Amino acid sequence: AQSVTQLGSHVSVSEGALVLLRCNYSSSVPPYLFWYVQYPNQGLQLLLKYTSAATLVKGINGFEAEFKKSETSFHLTKPSAHMSDAAEYFCAVSVRGSYIPTFGRGTSLIVHP
Amino acid sequence: EAEVAQSPRYKITEKSQAVAFWCDPISGHATLYWYRQILGQGPELLVQFQDESVVDDSQLPKDRFSAERLKGVDSTLKIQPAELGDSAMYLCASSPVIAGANVLTFGAGSRLTVL
Repeated sequence: AQSVTQLGSHVSVSEGALVLLRCNYSSSVPPYLFWYVQYPNQGLQLLLKYTSAATLVKGINGFEAEFKKSETSFHLTKPSAHMSDAAEYFCAVSVRGSYIPTFGRGTSLIVHP
Repeated sequence: EAEVAQSPRYKITEKSQAVAFWCDPISGHATLYWYRQILGQGPELLVQFQDESVVDDSQLPKDRFSAERLKGVDSTLKIQPAELGDSAMYLCASSPVIAGANVLTFGAGSRLTVL
């Protein structure tokens, strides 16, 4: 079975600083990987997805993530944080045959002015 | 932009009562999911439908939870009787097909508080 581990339940950055949210996955077969964002009292929205076409994936709102097979990682980054980026971020993994995403516990991004 | 509709947004009930949540997926989406999200945790799959058929309900507590999608369109998730530990956000999601990098579109959720 596949799984993801998100390191750090909370990440705090200053506005304008680099955002780095960590995700490590476990899968016995090549995975599909996703990052979703959840704003307060809302559902999850897709930020970006990895499908094996390219290891560096660009998403919405200036976010990107890099798939590193050797490290089994799919960390999410953004060069400069905005106040509007404050939200809960979830990493998810799925595999061929199942296609049902399994979510991590989430990382809460806090952005200070 | 098409959305997944859920109701009610908020529900407060006493333990041992029955509750029901409704979901209307994006038109044309064959696959529908119900996830439970406990505060501070990620969503966990309860049940997945392909059209009107259940694909996976292995994590659904069947002694008290039931889900149906009778005509392969909208769906209802029921809890009877509700327990204190059922307090959570219940998220419905849909996707066009089960294949590839399957992207789910989520509704805003139904937040349940059991007193």
